[in-house]
Amino acid sequence: DAKTTQPPSMDCAEGRAANLPCNHSTISGNEYVYWYRQIHSQGPQYIIHGLKNNETNEMASLIITEDRKSSTLILPHATLRDTAVYYCIVRVTNAGGTSYGKLTFGQGTILTVHP
Amino acid sequence: DTEVTQTPKHLVMGMTNKKSLKCEQHMGHRAMYWYKQKAKKPPELMFVYSYEKLSINESVPSRFSPECPNSSLLNLHLHALQPEDSALYLCASSQDVYRVNTEAFFGQGTRLTVV
Repeated sequence: DAKTTQPPSMDCAEGRAANLPCNHSTISGNEYVYWYRQIHSQGPQYIIHGLKNNETNEMASLIITEDRKSSTLILPHATLRDTAVYYCIVRVTNAGGTSYGKLTFGQGTILTVHP
Repeated sequence: DTEVTQTPKHLVMGMTNKKSLKCEQHMGHRAMYWYKQKAKKPPELMFVYSYEKLSINESVPSRFSPECPNSSLLNLHLHALQPEDSALYLCASSQDVYRVNTEAFFGQGTRLTVV
């Protein structure tokens, strides 16, 4: 499994951009980077995923470095409701390139958005 | 409908009890998962079902018995649990286990307390 490293916690002011980094230096060429978040006492929520190119959806943007060894999740205008644990996950594939659907969660980053 | 519904939301059971957790999705997903999450820890995969067949058991003790009676339902039967099994049990689903480029949807979890 490609492991991920994230800072344990980050703070962000409401209305500002939140930039959450993730290191995945052992990622393989066919592995995707996924981001999920978990608001207190709720189930994890999918945010975004990508392979090589930068991605954007209605929730966030994902910037992946050219060597794919790290990525950054950007919440463009953070609100108090974005306070959560953010997980960066590299999607596991087996040797034949077939994913068994496993999501291996690391410790994540606790993002606290302040008024 | 992009919901994964778990019942009950809360469950308290004695060590000699038998109980079941239920999970339901109507998205036509053919992969379903059970995760266990202890307090202040990330979710950990327990079981993966693919097309109603058990494809992954992450060395889970036999006091946890999963069942997938049809493509929309996933149960987790509990028997002779220990207090250390108290946790949030999360169900998830995805299109199938073979596509890497697809997200998983999580339910809100069942918070289990074993007394």
